[in-house]
Amino acid sequence: QQQVKQSPQSLIVQKGGISIINCAYENTAFDYFPWYQQFPGKGPALLIAIRPDVSEKKEGRFTISFNKSAKQFSLHIMDSQPGDSATYFCAARMAGGFKTIFGAGTRLFVKA
Amino acid sequence: EPEVTQTPSHQVTQMGQEVILRCVPISNHLYFYWYRQILGQKVEFLVSFYNNEISEKSEIFDDQFSVERPDGSNFTLKIRSTKLEDSAMYFCASMWDRRSSYNSPLHFGNGTRLTVT
Repeated sequence: QQQVKQSPQSLIVQKGGISIINCAYENTAFDYFPWYQQFPGKGPALLIAIRPDVSEKKEGRFTISFNKSAKQFSLHIMDSQPGDSATYFCAARMAGGFKTIFGAGTRLFVKA
Repeated sequence: EPEVTQTPSHQVTQMGQEVILRCVPISNHLYFYWYRQILGQKVEFLVSFYNNEISEKSEIFDDQFSVERPDGSNFTLKIRSTKLEDSAMYFCASMWDRRSSYNSPLHFGNGTRLTVT
């Protein structure tokens, strides 16, 4: 119930292509769904986040799509660039909760 | 932009020894966390700390682990008797206010790589 399931484990995309990473959750008490980006040797950094009452959030080339009834959400990276090569984590936190729970991560490699 | 700083960046210790990992959270943040990441895998929650006490902890955070905020700026994680399986990257994080989840993300440091030999 506390898990966030993320797929795929790794992803290779051509430069200019669309990268799509998917996540699913069980606990309907989650009310905050962030995506974090992590480069080697660095801590995760917030990329974009969404509330469950919103179906889509876009920031530049990054878009979160949220399907509340299916309990799924996904990250789309448009016009993927080599500099986007990193590990991406979806996450979730309960309303008023202390902890953020992370998915297993997706290693994205964008080929030049 | 203010950031979370962690020291040391790499700590090597022998099995059974005590280690203390140090963190300076962002100065106006109220909630403090330790997470662990083994070999670039999942980021696992260890403990959260608020108002000078542990607010939540995971099953990983057993009696060998403790946290402390000894003064107004530092936040430490102590492992009393390290095991080989404690080898991991340990990340400190801080957050301003959990009541407004959407506007208050976790801010992570760059981690301490702990190697237990």
